[in-house]
Amino acid sequence: GAGVSQSPRYKVAKRGQDVALRCDPISGHVSLFWYQQALGQGPEFLTYFQNEAQLDKSGLPSDRFFAERPEGSVSTLKIQRTQQEDSAVYLCASSFFNGESYGYTFGSGTRLTVV
Amino acid sequence: QQQVKQSPQSLIVQKGGIPIINCAYENTAFDYFPWYQQFPGKGPALLIAIRPDVSEKKEGRFTISFNKSAKQFSLHIMDSQPGDSATYFCAASPDLNSNSGYALNFGKGTSLLVTP
Repeated sequence: GAGVSQSPRYKVAKRGQDVALRCDPISGHVSLFWYQQALGQGPEFLTYFQNEAQLDKSGLPSDRFFAERPEGSVSTLKIQRTQQEDSAVYLCASSFFNGESYGYTFGSGTRLTVV
Repeated sequence: QQQVKQSPQSLIVQKGGIPIINCAYENTAFDYFPWYQQFPGKGPALLIAIRPDVSEKKEGRFTISFNKSAKQFSLHIMDSQPGDSATYFCAASPDLNSNSGYALNFGKGTSLLVTP
């Protein structure tokens, strides 16, 4: 497709449940980012991939959060033993760099609600 | 800590007015300053972006003003329309060669309402 696709759009998880969120980036985009957006806040950086390499995971809030991109395209963000504070919209973005500007395209996000 | 400070939190203008949203940063390693527009249920979409080597950039009705010495930048929306009602985020990114590539540091957002 033409855009970044994320699934599921909505996820309700019981506290303690594991969840997996999927991101299909734009074909050919080398860089992929995950962001967390709490209600009424700006997105906050979680982690960054260049192809299959996870170059920065400094934004992951705890060791319950894990991201992978094994073949350099589709990425999965996994949250183990979900807690209420994990409730947020999780945004994926893929990006190119053309020597002058950075072209970020965000997906519509997955809204996670932990009950 | 919030690396990019954005104000105001919300803004109401009449159609045709010129809303202005301001952002400030401290990190001199920031090298790229985009603005994003977000509608409910959607991801942020890039509006316009500026690098520190210019003081102003205009694209259509959107203008960024950049003051490198003050470490401030702002978004002006000319002839605003009700369809511009959305949340606007400023952001800043470090140099491409940093470890985080060009991960964006976002402001907290400004909710803009343009009344008919």
